[in-house]
Amino acid sequence: EVQLVESGGGLVQPGGSLRLSCAASGFTFSDYWMSWVRQAPGKGLEWVANINEDGGEKYYVDSVKGRFTISRDNVKNSVSLQLNSLRADDSALYYCTTGRAYLLKWARGTLVTVSS
Amino acid sequence: DIVMTQSPDSLAVSLGERATVNCKSSQSVLYRSDNKNYLAWYQQKPGQPPRLLIYWASTRASGVPDRFRGSGSGATFTLTISSLQAEDVAVYYCQQYYSSPITFGQGTRLEIK
Repeated sequence: EVQLVESGGGLVQPGGSLRLSCAASGFTFSDYWMSWVRQAPGKGLEWVANINEDGGEKYYVDSVKGRFTISRDNVKNSVSLQLNSLRADDSALYYCTTGRAYLLKWARGTLVTVSS
Repeated sequence: DIVMTQSPDSLAVSLGERATVNCKSSQSVLYRSDNKNYLAWYQQKPGQPPRLLIYWASTRASGVPDRFRGSGSGATFTLTISSLQAEDVAVYYCQQYYSSPITFGQGTRLEIK
């Protein structure tokens, strides 16, 4: 069974940093693009970043370019999102998902709250 | 960026009746070289992550009941639930993956009348 389990969310002050991680199991992780999608409280879905199978291609939504970094470890079957220079409008539930086009499997989400 | 616009924002339908959600993209998401529409639909129930329902505009994902049907082409798409069940109460999103960044519609909330 495919499982994606995130960790690393929490409360952080504006300008601070967090590192989100997503542990994958139940499929051949190194065969898949991975993506992060976020959802602000009560709002819709926003794609944030994705990474190709070997980590050599990475793409970001404009609003996080230069602040967020996506990476993966195909030995540990995990994908991470480093969040720097956090702003209040980065507050959201962050989902780890499989794929780069349609997003097949979604984790339950990890909550990031940016507030002083 | 391609803008996805759904209508209506919310919808109330009686059990057993048909529910229809519309989605329009600001440009065509039909890729001529493979004749595929790069359009997906998701269902999000309260407190849960989204679930992929439909991809390539009309292909149901594994395990999705056949009362869910995706249709349309180019820039105009429809998700139809043929006979609404209580468990279909959710927010539905369309999403284009024709070009980066992938973008979602604002969501349509479906309730029971």
